[in-house]
Amino acid sequence: NAGVMQNPRHLVRRRGQEARLRCSPMKGHSHVYWYRQLPEEGLKFMVYLQKENIIDESGMPKERFSAEFPKEGPSILRIQQVVRGDSAAYFCASSPTGQDEQYFGPGTRLTVT
Amino acid sequence: DQQVKQNSPSLSVQEGRISILNCDYTNSMFDYFLWYKKYPAEGPTFLISISSIKDKNEDGRFTVFLNKSAKHLSLHIVPSQPGDSAVYFCAARGSSGGSYIPTFGRGTSLIVHP
Repeated sequence: NAGVMQNPRHLVRRRGQEARLRCSPMKGHSHVYWYRQLPEEGLKFMVYLQKENIIDESGMPKERFSAEFPKEGPSILRIQQVVRGDSAAYFCASSPTGQDEQYFGPGTRLTVT
Repeated sequence: DQQVKQNSPSLSVQEGRISILNCDYTNSMFDYFLWYKKYPAEGPTFLISISSIKDKNEDGRFTVFLNKSAKHLSLHIVPSQPGDSAVYFCAARGSSGGSYIPTFGRGTSLIVHP
């Protein structure tokens, strides 16, 4: 049973470009969470999705950031017009229901130059 | 405003001794607590949890203690092993009203010396 998959593992973007981060949850998991970890910081919740629905996006910046979890395919975290402050590790987690422990992917390290 | 605080950024312990990692929280609505372990370049992995109806939960070498009145929990690792060297995150969440999303502390980096 494969774990949570994230790709790419490393992503370099120039300021102003778009970044797309992908997350495939564990098999049987329909709940996906995105977190961001800045250097020397803990994990900060961004958004919680269940197939085709955004359940909670209270941690997501209002501009430039969006997330989706379509019926088919991985969940996507999209950052438009990236800035240096977006450089961070972005982790995806999944759970079978919204009440269980979350299983994390290996993360995508975004570097904005 | 940090609702979950891990005040020690790092901890160094000798192999075979006890490691004690501490965590404090401020939100009275939190009633479920988790510890995650993270190696470099990997995602966090769930280690152990405790519900607020308990004050202790044990799993092998790992024991979590909860002091609700002090809003404090701790993770004990006995005996510590070099492979335990990692960053440990404390997390807390509610269990009602849909508040199942955990709030994480900043982590404590544990180094176990051989």
